Order: sequence, then C-alpha cells, then structure tokens
Amino acid sequence: AQRVTQPEKLLSVFKGAPVELKCNYSYSGSPELFWYVQYSRQRLQLLLRHISRESIKGFTADLNKGETSFHLKKPFAQEEDSAMYYCALSGGYALNFGKGTSLLVTP
Amino acid sequence: GAGVSQSPSNKVTEKGKDVELRCDPISGHTALYWYRQSLGQGLEFLIYFQGNSAPDKSGLPSDRFSAERTGGSVSTLTIQRTQQEDSAVYLCASSLVTGRNTEAFFGQGTRLTVV
Repeated sequence: AQRVTQPEKLLSVFKGAPVELKCNYSYSGSPELFWYVQYSRQRLQLLLRHISRESIKGFTADLNKGETSFHLKKPFAQEEDSAMYYCALSGGYALNFGKGTSLLVTP
Repeated sequence: GAGVSQSPSNKVTEKGKDVELRCDPISGHTALYWYRQSLGQGLEFLIYFQGNSAPDKSGLPSDRFSAERTGGSVSTLTIQRTQQEDSAVYLCASSLVTGRNTEAFFGQGTRLTVV
C-alpha cells in the first residue's frame, strides 16, 4: 500500500530562519516523489520532484530511501513562502498526497 | 486553453439533491484525475481517467459518486443524493501522459456546500 505522512499540520517560523517540512512515505517499489504547493487563492502547483534534483525558490528535497523520507528544506525562509505544502507519491498513475503542512513565515 | 478549468467555482445545494461538477482539462492531456480536498484531510484521490476509460474507480467514496469522460476531454463528476459530509473542494487535474514522473496540472476547484 502507498502512504504519505506529513506529521505537522502547521509550521510557523520567523523570516530568515531555516525551515524543514517533513514527509515520510510507505511504498514497496521504487517511489517517485513530489512536493506541491498551494499559495493563498491560487491553484495547487508542482514545486519540485525528486528525480530532477533541482532547487526551486530556494527549496530542495532529498530522497532518503533508508529512512523513507523526502523532507523539504530551505535555509532562509521568506514571507512569500507562506503556503500549504503537500508531499505526493506516484506509484503508478495517480498521485497520492499527504494531508499537507501549512507553513507560516512571520516577519 | 490556459489551464484546467472547473465549473462551477462554487455550488451550494440542498441535502438530497444531485450535483454535477465539470472539468475541462488542458488540451491534449490524456490523463485526468479527480480529488477531494477536505479541511484537515488533505487531498483524497477519487478517480482517474486514461482517455475515456477509468481503470481505477476505487477512490470513489460511495455508489452515490460517479464520473464520466467523453471524447477524451471534458469530465463530469456526479454526486447523487448529496449529504453534508460531501461538502468539500473538488479538484480536477490533468497530465500529458500517464507516467510516474508526470506533472499534474490542477484546476481551481469547485467548492461544494451541502446545506
């Protein structure tokens, strides 16, 4: 069975502080993992995918198969990073999403 | 089109009534997905279409829910005899192909309120 767990419903950090949004997964095969983001009053959109090994808006995420994790990190949070973040796993066709973490960056 | 389009944006309906939600995917996208977004529940997968066929209907919460896709394009999600627990945002997404690393593009959603 596929499962994505985001243990934090809400994460509040100060501007300039490091941020880490946790994501753990359960999947028997080789996973494909994504982070999607939803800013206020905007539609859900792709932030980054693990296979690309890219940094988007200063965010990075590393797949750790040993710990079955795909945590999202940014060294210095900005106020515009405040949004809802969803970790997603693709084990076939549809994406399975976690319950999301609301990130609030305060000045 | 500019992106995935869903209509209506908002729908308020009385308990027991039927509702139809519409999704226009990005032109040329063969895969189409429906999700339900409830407060505190994240995104719940409902159904997936590849072309006109739906290989996986396992996510539909009850037999009151059904979906179809015609012409490999527009899809409608129908909820019969709506209940208050059906209140949620219903999201549609499409992708160019089915594949494990394919980006899904989402619509703005339909907010359904059952009173």
